Formats: sequence, C-alpha cells, structure tokens
Amino acid sequence: DQQVKQNSPSLSVQEGRISILNCDYTNSMFDYFLWYKKYPAEGPTFLISISSIKDKNEDGRFTVFLNKSAKHLSLHIVPSQPGDSAVYFCAASAGNAGGTSYGKLTFGQGTILTVHP
Amino acid sequence: DAGVTQSPTHLIKTRGQQVTLRCSPKSGHDTVSWYQQALGQGPQFIFQYYEEEERQRGNFPDRFSGHQFPNYSSELNVNALLLGDSALYLCASTMGLAYEQFFGPGTRLTVL
Repeated sequence: DQQVKQNSPSLSVQEGRISILNCDYTNSMFDYFLWYKKYPAEGPTFLISISSIKDKNEDGRFTVFLNKSAKHLSLHIVPSQPGDSAVYFCAASAGNAGGTSYGKLTFGQGTILTVHP
Repeated sequence: DAGVTQSPTHLIKTRGQQVTLRCSPKSGHDTVSWYQQALGQGPQFIFQYYEEEERQRGNFPDRFSGHQFPNYSSELNVNALLLGDSALYLCASTMGLAYEQFFGPGTRLTVL
C-alpha cells in the first residue's frame, strides 16, 4: 500500500523556468511533510518541510504548498538551475499533539528532475 | 560540523552470511533511523533508535536488528542474508523527536 505517491517519474525543465514536483498521500494521520533531493552516490539532502497547520512554506527558490483537503503537496523551484538536476523525494510523517514525530518517514518513489541549460 | 557518517561505503556478501553496518549521527543529534533503498524506489523505514531503545519499527523481519550506543552511534545487523537484501542502506539522524531527519551517504550492500 503506497501511502505516498509521486506519479511523475521524471520532469524536464529549461533553466530559468519553474519546476513543479507533485506528491499525493492517502494517510490522514500524516501531519508533517518533507522534500529531499538526492544526487547519485549520495544520501538524500533535506530541502524544505511543511507542517499540516500551514498551507505554504518558502525558503529561497523553494516553496512547498500543501492542500490537505486534496491530500496533495507540491514543490516549486523558481528559477530552476542545472545544479537542481537530481531525484526529488517527497516524505511524510505522523506525530503527536505535542509536535513530536513518531519517527518513521514514509517516502514516495521519487521524481527525476532534469534542468537543461 | 560533521554530518552523518556511515561505514563501510560498499560491501559484498554471499547468501546466508551476516553483516553489520555502522552509523555516526550528525553532531548534536541523538536519534538514529535506518532505511533501506532498493533501486528505483524511495527509502523504506527499518527502525529508529532513541535513548538506546528501539522506538519504532517498520515492516522488516527479525533478521534485521540494531543497536544504539551511549555515544548515540548505531549499528544495523542483518542475519541470513538474502539476494533481496541487496540495496543502499541509509542512516539518518535527528535531534530528539524532531521531524526533520538528516541522511548519511549510505552503504551499498550487494548479496551474491
């Protein structure tokens, strides 16, 4: 049962344009969402996160949007750069009312982003 | 500021053998999680250690076991290796019970 899905295996974008990566989830208990970037032969690198009490979080060129009613989140990268070419993973976690995580991150399958110069 | 480190980088074993992978958390972190990433898939949660106890476990058989030491470093042990255990094993650390986890470079295990 895939609780976190990234339905686009790959995305190709021109340098300077916007990249939009999408993620859907099914588990209503998830209350925190994260995006990671992974280069070959490296571990995933944390990019940005969002709590379920928010609908948007921005950090430089990266913005994450959360639509709880649709159980959908997206990562926007503006402007896209060739160095952004990597595999992007969406992850979700559940926690308690005190704001602490239960521990497990559930990942999607990843989307390969290619940014062309 | 040292990040998460893992050893060894690569490992080749044969079916039925046992393997131990090691992880040192990022400076200031005390919680360690282990993930298995098969080719073309996202990482799958194995378990998390906090205060030297297994805090949460994913859907992995008992052949997968772990340990956390007083200095917060951790080991992942896999017994009776199967061909299907071939994967990238990732260690992640965090501070306490925070949501954000920071990953090491991984250990590539090949089972022949």
